Amino acid sequence: EAEVAQSPRYKITEKSQAVAFWCDPISGHATLYWYRQILGQGPELLVQFQDESVVDDSQLPKDRFSAERLKGVDSTLKIQPAELGDSAMYLCASSWGQGPYNEQFFGPGTRLTVL
Amino acid sequence: GENVEQHPSTLSVQEGDSAVIKCTYSDSASNYFPWYKQELGKRPQLIIDIRSNVGEKKDQRIAVTLNKTAKHFSLHITETQPEDSAVYFCAANGGSQGNLIFGKGTKLSVKP
Repeated sequence: EAEVAQSPRYKITEKSQAVAFWCDPISGHATLYWYRQILGQGPELLVQFQDESVVDDSQLPKDRFSAERLKGVDSTLKIQPAELGDSAMYLCASSWGQGPYNEQFFGPGTRLTVL
Repeated sequence: GENVEQHPSTLSVQEGDSAVIKCTYSDSASNYFPWYKQELGKRPQLIIDIRSNVGEKKDQRIAVTLNKTAKHFSLHITETQPEDSAVYFCAANGGSQGNLIFGKGTKLSVKP
């Protein structure tokens, strides 16, 4: 069964350093999401892609976060510089298309710890 | 924008009992309400969903009900088993793009 892949699974960094996360969606899924999940809370959307285009990045802290999906397949989320408050699980999800009824399939996440 | 409230934050039941988790939403335009289960250390997985043109949906031991007038929906798990222990998240779509707004989660513990 096809699954969303993410790497690394765990990342420990010091504040002010740069970090990057990678996501490979299920083959054929045009829509890709990046979520941040703080411990004890639900996932919060950071950015949504439709193919290679950003559809929604209204909740992305653009002064330090960036995301790209250059060829409309895999995606990278970057944080520079990392801050203590960025410690969280970063989840990637994908779906066949955008719109409310397309099931989102989640990856295993990258747990980021900023020291 | 959409706001989703979820209660309770923790729920403990005996094996075989029923469990109910409730969510309320604020945006009357929301029309899709999925529930995700996240076991410890694993990815969230969709377990059931409901659209606004339906009042109730069942899948074996799991059911979801929706009250559009009151803007609340609930997850019902009957005959609970230890493997039902997990964190459950409700969500509602916040707009035509289908962006999901998640509740804060309910940690369900089923005691053998």
